[in-house]
Order: sequence, then structure tokens, then C-alpha cells
Amino acid sequence: QVQLVQSGAEVKKPGASVKVSCKASGYTFTSYYMHWVRQAPGQGLEWVAIINPNGGSTGYAQKFRDRVTMTRDTSTSTLYLELSSLRSEDTAVYYCARGLYEVPNEFYFDYWGQGTLVTVSS
Amino acid sequence: SYELTQPPSVSVSPGQTASITCSGDKLGDRYASWYQHKPGQSPVLVIYQDSKRPSGIPERFSGSNSGNTATLTISGTQAMDEADYYCQAWDSNTGVFGGGTKLTVL
Repeated sequence: QVQLVQSGAEVKKPGASVKVSCKASGYTFTSYYMHWVRQAPGQGLEWVAIINPNGGSTGYAQKFRDRVTMTRDTSTSTLYLELSSLRSEDTAVYYCARGLYEVPNEFYFDYWGQGTLVTVSS
Repeated sequence: SYELTQPPSVSVSPGQTASITCSGDKLGDRYASWYQHKPGQSPVLVIYQDSKRPSGIPERFSGSNSGNTATLTISGTQAMDEADYYCQAWDSNTGVFGGGTKLTVL
């Protein structure tokens, strides 16, 4: 069965960086695009980033483009999201999600990780 | 940037039909998907490609998308359906979520 298992909660100070991981199992890792979606406290879902595990090409939401990096390690079927220059507004639960599509670049998310809480506080 | 607009809240009595709308410019020209999100849990896909139900999602969940509006319909709503619901679509290789609708079953 498909599983996406994320790393544990993080507490960071403003200006620091955080790296969250998501280990995939139960399917061929390189066959599906992967995404990160976040939810700040009391807010809605927000799409952050996408990666093609087969090749490593990425795409980012405009608001994060200058301080986010999504990578993958195919040898361990693990995704990473690194966010730098953290501010209090980055406090959120970060989810990894597997993306499917029939029309190119119109994904839907069929499996989600359990979420990782990142808290940014001085 | 592209925006999707949902009503903040919808209320429904048990057994009745709930409809949640999602509006965006020419939304009907792209695929919409819907996610159910309960507190403390991960989101769950309930509708994809406008009207398709994933395996395991009850038949009472249905969807449509035309013009500028996508609609999630829950027929015979049950207490377990109380949750936040988000529509989602793509624009210029960017994922966009609606603001979410809190469905209350009372």
C-alpha cells in the first residue's frame, strides 16, 4: 500500500532554515510527481512546490520561489523541502502529496503524508 | 494570479443535500478536484477531474464543473461528512486552492 511518512515537528527561529522530509513506499517512486502543500493555523491549504522524481525538475509557487528548494533522493525514495529565511508566517503544517494527472500539469493529489508542523518563533 | 472562491460555511441537516460551490474565471475550461479535511487529519481526495470519485469514496459525493463554477454535492449528508472542503485547480503550472468551506451538519 502507498505510504508517505514525513519527518517530525520542527521549531525554528526567524531567519533560520528548515528541511522537511517525506519517505515514500508502496509504489515506484520515480513514476509519480510529488508536491508540497501547507496549511497555516486557521488558514486554508496552499500549494508550495512540485518535483518530477524522474529527473528532478521542479516548480514553485511564486511567493516562495526565492527561498524554497524541493529535492529528492531516488536511492531512498525520499523527498525534501527546504525553506529558508523563515518568518512567523511560515508557521504551518507541511504536507507532501502524490500527484496524478491525465491532462499535463493538471494534477490531483491521491495520497498525502501525515503532515509536519513547522513552528517559527523567537 | 488565479483565484478560486468558496463560501466560508455551509450548513445542512442530516439526510439532506449539501452543495458547495467554487468560482473562478473560466473554471469550466480546466479540471477541478475536491478535498475533505478534518481537524488533525490529512486531506482526502473526494472528487477529481470534475466528477470522478476515487475508490472508497461513497456514492453520495458527486461533482460538476461548467462555466465559472464547480460544485461539490453531498447527497444524504451524514454527520461524518462534517469537515472543511477545498476545491483545487491549476493555472500556469501553479496549484491553486479555494479558501475552503466549513460544512456543518446539524
